[in-house]
Parts: sequence; C-alpha cells; structure tokens
Amino acid sequence: AQSVTQPDIHITVSEGASLELRCNYSYGATPYLFWYVQSPGQGLQLLLKYFSGDTLVQGIKGFEAEFKRSQSSFNLRKPSVHWSDAAEYFCAVGARDMRFGAGTRLTVKP
Amino acid sequence: KAGVTQTPRYLIKTRGQQVTLSCSPISGHRSVSWYQQTPGQGLQFLFEYFSETQRNKGNFPGRFSGRQFSNSRSEMNVSTLELGDSALYLCASSLAWSSGSFRYEQYFGPGTRLTVT
Repeated sequence: AQSVTQPDIHITVSEGASLELRCNYSYGATPYLFWYVQSPGQGLQLLLKYFSGDTLVQGIKGFEAEFKRSQSSFNLRKPSVHWSDAAEYFCAVGARDMRFGAGTRLTVKP
Repeated sequence: KAGVTQTPRYLIKTRGQQVTLSCSPISGHRSVSWYQQTPGQGLQFLFEYFSETQRNKGNFPGRFSGRQFSNSRSEMNVSTLELGDSALYLCASSLAWSSGSFRYEQYFGPGTRLTVT
C-alpha cells in the first residue's frame, strides 16, 4: 500500500538559511509525488510535482525537490528561507487516491 | 481563472444532525476529490468523482457520501454526525481522470470547517 512519511514534525530555521524537508514514500510503481503548503486556516497550495523525467523539479516560490528512487525519497529544498515561508508542508503520493504525510510545520526565526 | 470554491466556509452542527458541503471546481476541471483533515488523523482521502461517478473511495463509514453534478460541482453529505466528524473538509479538483497515462494534479479549495457539538 502506498504511504508517505515525513520524519520531522516541526523544523525551525533562521530567515535566509537553507531549508530541507524530508519525505519518504512507499509505492508499488513509479510514484506521482507532490509537495503542498498550507497556511493557517487555508487550503493546500501545490508547490511542485514529479511524474517522470528529470529527477530535480522546480516549483513555485523558489522551492525545488529531488526524486531519489534508490532512497524512496522526495525531499523539498529552498536555498534561502523567507519569513513568509512559515507554514505547514505536506508531501503526498499517489494519483486516484492521494496519500499525505503527517506534515512538517516550519517556523522561521527573524 | 477562479479557484476551487467551497461553501459554507464554517459550519456548526449538533450530534445526530446531517450536513451537506458544496464544492465548485476550477472551470474545465472534471474530477473532484474530497479530503478530511483533523489534528489526529491528518489528511485522509474520502472519495473522488469524475463524470458524475464515484471512481474511488477511502476508508470512511457509509455515513459519508457524495455526488457530482453534470457541471462537475460536487457535494458531500455526512449523516448522523458524531463529535469525531469535526474537521476541515477539503475539496480538490483536477483536469481529468484516465485509465491510461494521466496526470493527477489537484488544486484545493479553502475548505469547510465543520464543528460538531
């Protein structure tokens, strides 16, 4: 069965520092992978997606993610975090019935 | 292009009542999925509709049901509400569903916050 693990419940980084949010998945076939961001009281916004091809994918707001099949990972990165990036981030896998990780809450220190 | 809209945004109901939530997808999107988000269980898939047919269903009791209309708008219904049904209910739309190669890029609405007392 497909599943997603986000090992970090909460991460705090300083503004301007780099960021990496971890995501590991379990899926029987080539996965469809997504990263979403959710601000308090809001819905989810799609940051980026991987379906096939180039394993490094670029998204909105300066985010990127790298698909590593050997490690079953799809980690999200940003070289320089802004205070407005503080939110909850969800990794998801699947297609017809998407499975989400538990989320990682990002706090940005001034 | 307008995004996914959900109505109402907030709802308070009493145990035992029923509730209907509405979702209007992005124009041109034909697939609608519903998710429940709670602090304890996180985001869980409820069901997916395409062409007025339920294509996939998550592991929820029969009290949770839905439908889709010919204009792709969707409603979900929860009958005999329980305290544990308090959650943020999110609707997501995507372009299409296909049994062949397909893309499944979902766009979410702001959600309906349901409180059951």
